[in-house]
Amino acid sequence: GQQLNQSPQSMFIQEGEDVSMNCTSSSIFNTWLWYKQDPGEGPVLLIALYKAGELTSNGRLTAQFGITRKDSFLNISASIPSDVGIYFCAGKNTGNQFYFGTGTSLTVIP
Amino acid sequence: ETGVTQSPTHLIKTRGQQVTLRCSSQSGHNTVSWYQQALGQGPQFIFQYYREEENGRGNFPPRFSGLQFPNYSSELNVNALELDDSALYLCASSLGSGNNYGYTFGSGTRLTVV
Repeated sequence: GQQLNQSPQSMFIQEGEDVSMNCTSSSIFNTWLWYKQDPGEGPVLLIALYKAGELTSNGRLTAQFGITRKDSFLNISASIPSDVGIYFCAGKNTGNQFYFGTGTSLTVIP
Repeated sequence: ETGVTQSPTHLIKTRGQQVTLRCSSQSGHNTVSWYQQALGQGPQFIFQYYREEENGRGNFPPRFSGLQFPNYSSELNVNALELDDSALYLCASSLGSGNNYGYTFGSGTRLTVV
């Protein structure tokens, strides 16, 4: 099946810094999603992208759907302690299945 | 509007046993998908149910089976449990089977097989 690789695997940043993470796929997707998962909880949808090149923001979060349709990026500006968690990308093509990435673990140091 | 609820939250089973996990979909949602999330990994698609029929399946053996009821709630059954079945099982609901808007996930059932 499709493999989605996220990088970096983990990040330790100071509060107030900006964060960038990305996700690459071996296959083309027509939908990209970004989720955040807190310990003991299910993933929560942050941003959805539907068109190659699309740039979408949700508060301090901005995500882009790569032109090749095989990658996506998530940026978080001015990080705060509650940004701590694991961030997952997910891609979908014509089927019913979302393929999830391996996750990026974010730690924000106050 | 209620979200997705799953039960139980935690479960310990012995290898070879059978387990049933339950999920109530978000109000207004008619599609339920089940995912398995091993420790340190992203969720892996098991299958999806739409209007009480299986509507897509991932790379999981037949001992993983499911049901969807007329009220759109769902069950995941796993027979002949193996140690590698230990994982967080997530249920997600959506409106429509080909939904591209992402799913609403429950908090999951943590299954430990010993």
